[in-house]
Amino acid sequence: KAGVTQTPRYLIKTRGQQVTLSCSPISGHRSVSWYQQTPGQGLQFLFEYFSETQRNKGNFPGRFSGRQFSNSRSEMNVSTLELGDSALYLCASSVRRGSIQYFGAGTRLSVL
Amino acid sequence: AQTVTQSQPEMSVQEAETVTLSCTYDTSENNYYLFWYKQPPSRQMILVIRQEAYKQQNATENRFSVNFQKAAKSFSLKISDSQLGDTAMYFCAFISGNTPLVFGKGTRLSVIA
Repeated sequence: KAGVTQTPRYLIKTRGQQVTLSCSPISGHRSVSWYQQTPGQGLQFLFEYFSETQRNKGNFPGRFSGRQFSNSRSEMNVSTLELGDSALYLCASSVRRGSIQYFGAGTRLSVL
Repeated sequence: AQTVTQSQPEMSVQEAETVTLSCTYDTSENNYYLFWYKQPPSRQMILVIRQEAYKQQNATENRFSVNFQKAAKSFSLKISDSQLGDTAMYFCAFISGNTPLVFGKGTRLSVIA
């Protein structure tokens, strides 16, 4: 069974641009969560989607948004990029909410 | 709010030796899961071991085992016969009900030949 797939693996953007990251969960997994990882703040929860609905949201500005499609694939979008948005963005999927989460390899976003 | 604390930012161990990574957590919940994840330089977050709070028996996975002390809210990871491939960041994590997974700040483990 294929694991969690995140695309792209690397991304370079400039300030003010917007970016969309994609996550394909493990087949049969319906819950997708997103995390931001930085050296200073560690792993911070962004949001969780289940059955195409956002179930939880972390403490991030409205520039960060996401969605989930009927096939459980998820995208997150960051608008008006700032230098501080440079980070590793990790996606994790689980069979159901509150169960074991399996992670993708992440998308490394660099904002110049 | 649940919190997870890893008090050892960095540790090192000789190859083939045993090392223990510490983790404490704070919660008012009675039913929850605890995890140790490993993140090698490749960045892929890999599940090492999990523990259900309602189980008294400590979980083991090959060379990895935990010491789960529910009353003390402690969840340490023991790695036996350390191998060079164990070099990574190790994160302790907690989840309860439908709340998000909460991570500690991690322990960087270096296995020395």
